[in-house]
This record gives sequence, structure tokens and C-alpha cells, in this order.
Amino acid sequence: AQSVTQLDSQVPVFEEAPVELRCNYSSSVSVYLFWYVQYPNQGLQLLLKYLSGSTLVESINGFEAEFNKSQTSFHLRKPSVHISDTAEYFCAVSNSGGYQKVTFGTGTKLQVIP
Amino acid sequence: DSGVTQTPKHLITATGQRVTLRCSPRSGDLSVYWYQQSLDQGLQFLIQYYNGEERAKGNILERFSAQQFPDLHSELNLSSLELGDSALYFCASSSGLAGGTSTDTQYFGPGTRLTVL
Repeated sequence: AQSVTQLDSQVPVFEEAPVELRCNYSSSVSVYLFWYVQYPNQGLQLLLKYLSGSTLVESINGFEAEFNKSQTSFHLRKPSVHISDTAEYFCAVSNSGGYQKVTFGTGTKLQVIP
Repeated sequence: DSGVTQTPKHLITATGQRVTLRCSPRSGDLSVYWYQQSLDQGLQFLIQYYNGEERAKGNILERFSAQQFPDLHSELNLSSLELGDSALYFCASSSGLAGGTSTDTQYFGPGTRLTVL
């Protein structure tokens, strides 16, 4: 069975400061990893994903995440946050083979303080 | 706008009742997924359908059932409702199945907020 742990339920950070949202996973097989963002009163949107290849993946709005197999982590980072980044962020994992049964973490609420 | 539509947006009902949530996937997507998001359980995968057939099951209660119709829209039926069923129910769609060496992106609808009183 696979699982995802997001240790931080809330992360407050000042505008233009860097941020790291932590995600650790466990799985007995190879995995795909995802970060989704949920803005208030909206559904989830895919932010970025790791399938294979380069361990550093980037999104179009400045976020990046690095797959670290030895530490079973997929932390999300941004060097300078904006007010508009205030949202809840979900890390997710699915097995690389078989059907797309995705396991989500409990989410981290990022609050950007002006 | 993800292209996935869900109706209704809000639903208020009483314990013991039955409700039906509807989802229309993005044009061309064959897979539909249902999720439940609640404060205490977080985001839970319930069930997946692909081209009308059930393909994966998660933490779905026996009181809940789903189906995908020939036009690919899906319905989630919740019966004998309890207070604890109050949650946001999301539908997502994707173009295919994950398998082999690739996967495809799930696009989420805006959700249906169910309140059981």
C-alpha cells in the first residue's frame, strides 16, 4: 500500500519570502508523484508531476519540486511567494503501474502574509 | 475552468435520505473519478470508472454507489445518509487509464458540497 505524509497542516509565510512544503511518501513499487493546488471554493488543479526522468520538475507559476528517492520525498518549493499563492496544496502518489488510484496527503494550507 | 462540471453545487438534506450527484467529464475523457473531501478524513479516493466500467475502488462505503453512462457522464448515489457524510464531493476526469509507463492528468470539477442535517 502507498501513503503520503504532509507534516505541516499550515504554513504562514511573508510575501516575497521563500517557502518549502514538505511531502514524504511510502510505496513498495515505483511511483508517480503530484502536487495539486486548491484555491478557496474551487476544485483541485494539477500544479506539477513527476513521472520519470529529471528529478526536478517545475510549474509555470514558479513552483518546483524535487523527487528524492533515497529520502522518499517530493518537497514543493518556491523562491518568492505572492499573495495569490495562498491556497491549500496537496501532495499525491500513484503506482507507476496499474490503474490510476491516487493517494492524497492531508494538505498544507499556505498563507501568504502581505 | 477544468471542463469538468458537477451538479448540484450545494445539497442540503436530512439523515436517512438518498441523493444523487452528477458529473460530466471533459470532452473526450473516458475516465471518471470520485473523491470525498472532509475536514477529518481529508481527500479520499472513492471509485473510478473507465468507459462505463468500474476500474478501481477506494474507500467507498457500501451505502454509496456510482455508475458511468454511455454518454460518459457519471452519477454518485449516496443513501441512508449520516451526519458524517457531510463533505465536498469531487469528480475528476482523465483521458485514459494509467498503466505501463505513463499516466495522464486528472482534471477536477468544482465539487458538490453535501450537508446532512
